[in-house]
Amino acid sequence: EDQVTQSPEALRLQEGESSSLNCSYTVSGLRGLFWYRQDPGKGPEFLFTLYSAGEEKEKERLKATLTKKESFLHITAPKPEDSATYLCAVQIMNRDDKIIFGKGTRLHILP
Amino acid sequence: GAVVSQHPSRVICKSGTSVKIECRSLDFQATTMFWYRQFPKQSLMLMATSNEGSKATYEQGVEKDKFLINHASLTLSTLTVTSAHPEDSSFYICSARDLRDLYGYTFGSGTRLTVV
Repeated sequence: EDQVTQSPEALRLQEGESSSLNCSYTVSGLRGLFWYRQDPGKGPEFLFTLYSAGEEKEKERLKATLTKKESFLHITAPKPEDSATYLCAVQIMNRDDKIIFGKGTRLHILP
Repeated sequence: GAVVSQHPSRVICKSGTSVKIECRSLDFQATTMFWYRQFPKQSLMLMATSNEGSKATYEQGVEKDKFLINHASLTLSTLTVTSAHPEDSSFYICSARDLRDLYGYTFGSGTRLTVV
């Protein structure tokens, strides 16, 4: 069964304290992996798309990496405004355009 | 970048009435749009895939007659919650794929539905 698992479920960090969020996946064939940020009461905001193992992408304090089994979202020197829920989603080959979401990691950055 | 507009952002309706939610792709054409439901502190659960000019494809367990989807044009999909009940109260979100593939799947801002 296709599955996306994110850990930890919640994470509290001090401002400036770097860390990583994990997204592990078990799918029949990966077409693409997406990271989104979601603020309370809002729709998900696109961050990154990764397509192949070894690929890395960066945006400001965020860096996403991909292996054959998991993806990491590294956050460097976070600020309180980085507090949000971070969602990982995968697109599976031969499953039309549908994507499957993990449950997300709720990140809280303390000032 | 790709923008998806969703309206209304909040709606309160009485039990037994119907509510329509609109999802528009503003700067791109979307032959396929997706409708999700999200409960508090939970992830997005796909309800149905909306296909322009044809019937929607519903996920297992989603009632077709309760959640009516119409994809009338390449930029508009609507979700109508019919005969709404309090248990239908939730956060509904639509998304569309920009085939230019620059931004992956773009999501609307969501609709908070409260049935009283």
